[in-house]
Amino acid sequence: SAVISQKPSRDICQRGTSLTIQCQVDSQVTMMFWYRQQPGQSLTLIATANQGSEATYESGFVIDKFPISRPNLTFSTLTVSNMSPEDSSIYLCSVPGGDGDYGYTFGSGTRLTVV
Amino acid sequence: KQEVTQIPAALSVPEGENLVLNCSFTDSAIYNLQWFRQDPGKGLTSLLLIQSSQREQTSGRLNASLDKSSGRSTLYIAASQPGDSATYLCAVRTQGGSEKLVFGKGTKLTVNP
Repeated sequence: SAVISQKPSRDICQRGTSLTIQCQVDSQVTMMFWYRQQPGQSLTLIATANQGSEATYESGFVIDKFPISRPNLTFSTLTVSNMSPEDSSIYLCSVPGGDGDYGYTFGSGTRLTVV
Repeated sequence: KQEVTQIPAALSVPEGENLVLNCSFTDSAIYNLQWFRQDPGKGLTSLLLIQSSQREQTSGRLNASLDKSSGRSTLYIAASQPGDSATYLCAVRTQGGSEKLVFGKGTKLTVNP
């Protein structure tokens, strides 16, 4: 299965600022996924990032708030813009593969606290 | 809309006990179901994946079963150890070509020495 390097692992940010999270995969993948896990909640898909096209956002998530880049088949970034305390969450990237290529592999997560 | 529920939300057991974690889903038209482990503040580690055509999967002390028609899956952990303490998440991938995973809120397991 793929190995994902996600950075930063954690950060504390001031409200109104932006943070960019990076995910580097050790193999080429067509799709990458970005999830958010708010405190005490389940993981929720933010968007699907395809190389060479605009990301597809889930209901309730917009590009202005969570812009995504996907410059090549091994790398993606998610930016959390104009942050507020409600954005405090764990953010995770994921790619298909693992468990016989039918499952998904996740990055180690970015724990974001907005003060 | 697919919804995934995990019961119990938290479980505390003494070391050595066998235990069962439950996962239920509302739409039985799933492609597969995956169990993950999440340590505090960390990412997810895949434990077991069951395809919709399968009934169970085993890995070491872990056994996951799937009853698609009733919308249920269980994760059985044998001879629990303190190192098993973590949150266990169940996620389903619905049929229809979507790559999206729908997660439950998880069961927080504490195994006491």
